[in-house]
Amino acid sequence: AQSVTQLGSHVSVSEGALVLLRCNYSSSVPPYLFWYVQYPNQGLQLLLKYTTGATLVKGINGFEAEFKKSETSFHLTKPSAHMSDAAEYFCAVSEADTGFQKLVFGTGTRLLVSP
Amino acid sequence: NADVTQTPKFRILKIGQSMTLQCTQDMNHNYMYWYRQDPGMGLKLIYYSVGAGITDKGEVPNGYNVSRSTTEDFPLRLELAAPSQTSVYFCASTDAVSVDTQYFGPGTRLTVL
Repeated sequence: AQSVTQLGSHVSVSEGALVLLRCNYSSSVPPYLFWYVQYPNQGLQLLLKYTTGATLVKGINGFEAEFKKSETSFHLTKPSAHMSDAAEYFCAVSEADTGFQKLVFGTGTRLLVSP
Repeated sequence: NADVTQTPKFRILKIGQSMTLQCTQDMNHNYMYWYRQDPGMGLKLIYYSVGAGITDKGEVPNGYNVSRSTTEDFPLRLELAAPSQTSVYFCASTDAVSVDTQYFGPGTRLTVL
């Protein structure tokens, strides 16, 4: 069975600092990997995704993530945090060969950005 | 505007009451999903549908029912509300061609007292 582990339920950074949100996954087959962002009182919005090809994936709002198969990781980074990045971030995995997507989500990491 | 809409936004139920959470998408997506989100627990899949007339259970289906009579609509039914069903419910959809991006509605916050 697939699973996702997000290390740290809360991460605090200062505005302008590096953002690093950690995600490790478990999958018996090649995975599709996703990061979703949830702003307060809103639904989830896709930030970026890895399906095949280049392992460094760029998303919206300056975020990027790197798929590292040997480490079973898909950490999310942003070089310089902005106040508007404060939100909850979810990592998710689905199996690449099912032809139908069933996402398994991590428990989420809340990013706090201080001035 | 391509969208997933959910109604109501908020609801308080008494134990044993029933209600239907509505979900509609206007993107002609075949695949639709219902999730619940509990604090610190991430999202759990309740039910999903691969097209009109076809539904299947997800990870946490007990206490819920769904139907899919049209491509656009995927209502979630709670028959006998219990406090354990207090949660935020999200509907999502994706198309058959690009089955890797799910579009989420704004959610329904349900409290069962």
